[in-house]
Amino acid sequence: DTEVTQTPKHLVMGMTNKKSLKCEQHMGHRAMYWYKQKAKKPPELMFVYSYEKLSINESVPSRFSPECPNSSLLNLHLHALQPEDSALYLCASSPRSGYRNIQYFGAGTRLSVL
Amino acid sequence: KQEVTQIPAALSVPEGENLVLNCSFTDSAIYNLQWFRQDPGKGLTSLLLIQSSQREQTSGRLNASLDKSSGRSTLYIAASQPGDSATYLCAVTASNDYKLSFGAGTTVTVRA
Repeated sequence: DTEVTQTPKHLVMGMTNKKSLKCEQHMGHRAMYWYKQKAKKPPELMFVYSYEKLSINESVPSRFSPECPNSSLLNLHLHALQPEDSALYLCASSPRSGYRNIQYFGAGTRLSVL
Repeated sequence: KQEVTQIPAALSVPEGENLVLNCSFTDSAIYNLQWFRQDPGKGLTSLLLIQSSQREQTSGRLNASLDKSSGRSTLYIAASQPGDSATYLCAVTASNDYKLSFGAGTTVTVRA
């Protein structure tokens, strides 16, 4: 099983809402990632968790709050988002860093902020 | 800072023609380079990963080469099919970092 599952597939939220995106993998990977992708742009790294600890935080606004409850699950909590946060949010996982860092991506959550 | 460039930005070919996609990067101190495929509004699918010590990787109709010293990689897709229509992104991992530095992608259209 080389699947990374993201839910929901689509999300529409108002600027005052609180919502969460969920990502799950059962490949035994120890690194998990959140990316943001705007239309016709490459993905931008937001956060990296390694062995369930936050390893990289790319200066993302505090209205995005990641959480890694266990090695298989990664959440992204959203609060007071802005319309410019509308994008495709991608989750990925990899066995570990560096040399054999093949990242496996989920299908993404399409987020629209009204 | 690593800069990854993909040329051309878009490509349209008739079915059966071979595809050549180019990727260049500014810092040759990489661990590996990956080629991904992305269908509209979808996630990324890893196609090939080339370790820094390798010169090429092959999978079916796909062949990717890597010239680390000149900072270049090329993805060849033989005998293109309409199902190959997608955006292809290359990404490099620097040193032992987790980070992937992506190019902006090449959008391919294969005409039936």
